[in-house]
Amino acid sequence: SAVISQKPSRDICQRGTSLTIQCQVDSQVTMMFWYRQQPGQSLTLIATANQGSEATYESGFVIDKFPISRPNLTFSTLTVSNMSPEDSSIYLCSARTSGLTGELFFGEGSRLTVL
Amino acid sequence: QKEVEQDPGPLSVPEGAIVSLNCTYSNSAFQYFMWYRQYSRKGPELLMYTYSSGNKEDGRFTAQVDKSSKYISLFIRDSQPSDSATYLCAMRQNAGNMLTFGGGTRLMVKP
Repeated sequence: SAVISQKPSRDICQRGTSLTIQCQVDSQVTMMFWYRQQPGQSLTLIATANQGSEATYESGFVIDKFPISRPNLTFSTLTVSNMSPEDSSIYLCSARTSGLTGELFFGEGSRLTVL
Repeated sequence: QKEVEQDPGPLSVPEGAIVSLNCTYSNSAFQYFMWYRQYSRKGPELLMYTYSSGNKEDGRFTAQVDKSSKYISLFIRDSQPSDSATYLCAMRQNAGNMLTFGGGTRLMVKP
């Protein structure tokens, strides 16, 4: 298994500002991802964080709005840029372990409120 | 139509009841099936993991996959108030693919 730590766990931000969320995994993992979970909704994949290269974004998400870094195998950051109230959501870091099963584990999430 | 359908609930049961949570899906290529439990204000926690059809049991939890019907279930025996959470099903075609999540079912077990 993998233990995933995220920070901040929650924040209240002003419209137009940016916030960076950090994610640390306790072991080397093959893949890291960022998800968004809006209130009462399921998980939507934002992007795959690739080590040492640009992230791979899903439809509807762009690098200018959600820049992602992954400088090594165990650490990644997601920035939510130029925030608006519509960005209020829970942002979840996840990681997939190696091996045949490739199970996906999640962090506790970062609850973001934009005023 | 969503690729994975899950009744959002809420499902309210008395303590000790047997709970049945279900998902249907449309993509017959899905082979790996998971159930996640998510407590309020927490990240999803992997609960059960099955490959292809059949049953898998872990304590009070049983995961069942019927690929012919494109239907998966999670059974919880002797349900406890601590089981109150949102349960998300998830599935993918192979180990390299992204997971497709259901919308989640909110379960409330009343003492």
